[in-house]
Amino acid sequence: DTAVSQTPKYLVTQMGNDKSIKCEQNLGHDTMYWYKQDSKKFLKIMFSYNNKELIINETVPNRFSPKSPDKAHLNLHINSLELGDSAVYFCASSPGTGGNTIYFGEGSWLTVV
Amino acid sequence: QKEVEQDPGPLSVPEGAIVSLNCTYSNSAFQYFMWYRQYSRKGPELLMYTYSSGNKEDGRFTAQVDKSSKYISLFIRDSQPSDSATYLCAMSAGNQFYFGTGTSLTVIP
Repeated sequence: DTAVSQTPKYLVTQMGNDKSIKCEQNLGHDTMYWYKQDSKKFLKIMFSYNNKELIINETVPNRFSPKSPDKAHLNLHINSLELGDSAVYFCASSPGTGGNTIYFGEGSWLTVV
Repeated sequence: QKEVEQDPGPLSVPEGAIVSLNCTYSNSAFQYFMWYRQYSRKGPELLMYTYSSGNKEDGRFTAQVDKSSKYISLFIRDSQPSDSATYLCAMSAGNQFYFGTGTSLTVIP
């Protein structure tokens, strides 16, 4: 059983389109995250939710909107996609807000053409 | 100054060598220290984590944390071609995680 699963793994879409990436974790964790990884492998936090509440909202264009229907799910919706949005997006989860460890999904490779 | 600094490499070693990967950091509030392995087209996979200072061993992998020097290391003994990947260090304070940029490692058969 995959602990943190996200879909789709690959997504190619045109500029201006709207797309969503879904994420689910079966670890029973309270906190979920969205990270963006650039071409140099740097992981940049985008959002974090704890028990469905937004706790971290980094400087991200408001075209990106997270949604957490319950603590096991955190989806990412992107409006009006731009070329610069092409990247790998990772969903992750951790046990709580006290640090500890973080577990990642397999990633979603987004290409905007 | 970045919170976490990691030499990006690339690092290339012969099979069987001992590999040393390192990170330095600036925030003395960090309490948890982690190492991740990331294969191409895959997500980061948690290898080891330690709390505060000290050593932790797991098979061929040893993680060391020196909080006085703000320096962490990952040692890989008897390196194998299957160890070829990017290794990321990470550390946490509260609900925030901070990552190094990763070191690319190639183990040559």
